[in-house]
Amino acid sequence: KAGVTQTPRYLIKTRGQQVTLSCSPISGHRSVSWYQQTPGQGLQFLFEYFSETQRNKGNFPGRFSGRQFSNSRSEMNVSTLELGDSALYLCASSLDRGDQPQHFGDGTRLSIL
Amino acid sequence: DQQVKQNSPSLSVQEGRISILNCDYTNSMFDYFLWYKKYPAEGPTFLISISSIKDKNEDGRFTVFLNKSAKHLSLHIVPSQPGDSAVYFCAASRSNTGKLIFGQGTTLQVKP
Repeated sequence: KAGVTQTPRYLIKTRGQQVTLSCSPISGHRSVSWYQQTPGQGLQFLFEYFSETQRNKGNFPGRFSGRQFSNSRSEMNVSTLELGDSALYLCASSLDRGDQPQHFGDGTRLSIL
Repeated sequence: DQQVKQNSPSLSVQEGRISILNCDYTNSMFDYFLWYKKYPAEGPTFLISISSIKDKNEDGRFTVFLNKSAKHLSLHIVPSQPGDSAVYFCAASRSNTGKLIFGQGTTLQVKP
């Protein structure tokens, strides 16, 4: 069974640019959540999508946005990149929002120069 | 406001012995708890979870204990193996959301 797939694995951008990250969930999973991991802040929740609707949002500025498509695939966009956006961005999928575990992809490592 | 805390940054145990990783939380609304293992350059791998209606859940060498009154959970690994060496994260959520709150992680080293 294929796991969560994130593309690209690595990305280098400069300040002020924007970036789009992609996530394909496990087949049959309808909930997709995004997280940011940094050495200082650890793993922090960005937002969650379920059936193409954002159901929950973390404490990140509006530069961080996302969407989900009808096939449950999700994208995350960060605009006007800042040096502090350098991080590992992780996507996780689950069957639904109940007491089901989230399964993670291997992430996209974003570096801002 | 760190709602989930893992107070031990690191833990070292001998192969074959028990590893006990601890986690504390402050939000009494959390009702679903999980443990993940993470290797460098990989995403977290789900290990085991527990609902707040239970106080223990087992899966092979892994057992999670939940003490709701103390707002404390622990992961026991018996017997520990060198391949268990990784960073372990506990996470908590309210089951009606897709939002996991993570602890800062504990690095486990299992020595042969």
